[in-house]
Amino acid sequence: EPEVTQTPSHQVTQMGQEVILRCVPISNHLYFYWYRQILGQKVEFLVSFYNNEISEKSEIFDDQFSVERPDGSNFTLKIRSTKLEDSAMYFCASSQGRGRETQYFGPGTRLLVL
Amino acid sequence: AQSVSQHNHHVILSEAASLELGCNYSYGGTVNLFWYVQYPGQHLQLLLKYFSGDPLVKGIKGFEAEFIKSKFSFNLRKPSVQWSDTAEYFCAVNAGSKLTFGTGTRLQVTL
Repeated sequence: EPEVTQTPSHQVTQMGQEVILRCVPISNHLYFYWYRQILGQKVEFLVSFYNNEISEKSEIFDDQFSVERPDGSNFTLKIRSTKLEDSAMYFCASSQGRGRETQYFGPGTRLLVL
Repeated sequence: AQSVSQHNHHVILSEAASLELGCNYSYGGTVNLFWYVQYPGQHLQLLLKYFSGDPLVKGIKGFEAEFIKSKFSFNLRKPSVQWSDTAEYFCAVNAGSKLTFGTGTRLQVTL
């Protein structure tokens, strides 16, 4: 069964550094998402991406964050100038459509900002 | 804005006990409802979903959920839990392109 994959599984970085989290969505999916889960808190939506542009973003997704689909398979989340509070598990997801379509999640990248 | 409440944060059951996890959502329009499960060390997986039709939906591994529109609820049930059901369970609602999750319920099944 096709899966969403994410790299790296763990990332440790210094405050102020830039990180890029990578995702390979399921190949025939058209919608891509990033979510995050701060330890002990709920999974929160960050951004959705369709047709090479952001379709929706949350308040969390400020200018510090950006997403890109640099080629036909990868979907990346860039965090510029990381802060301590960016430490979280970041999940990528993809779906064939919106609304009732199932979003399939990757295993996550655990980001620790020191 | 849509929101989801899961009132049971941590549930401990013995094997073969029945399970019901509560989920209430807040949204005025048409919603699509999901239950996801996260087994230890694994990623979020879909258990079941509801978007229309029969309000009683069946999912994988013997789970089912009932959509009660008047109560804004979508409770998850299983008649007899197994030790392998130990996991975290998340209710979520999608009214557009994003999923809004509840805080999750940690289920621990003891032998």
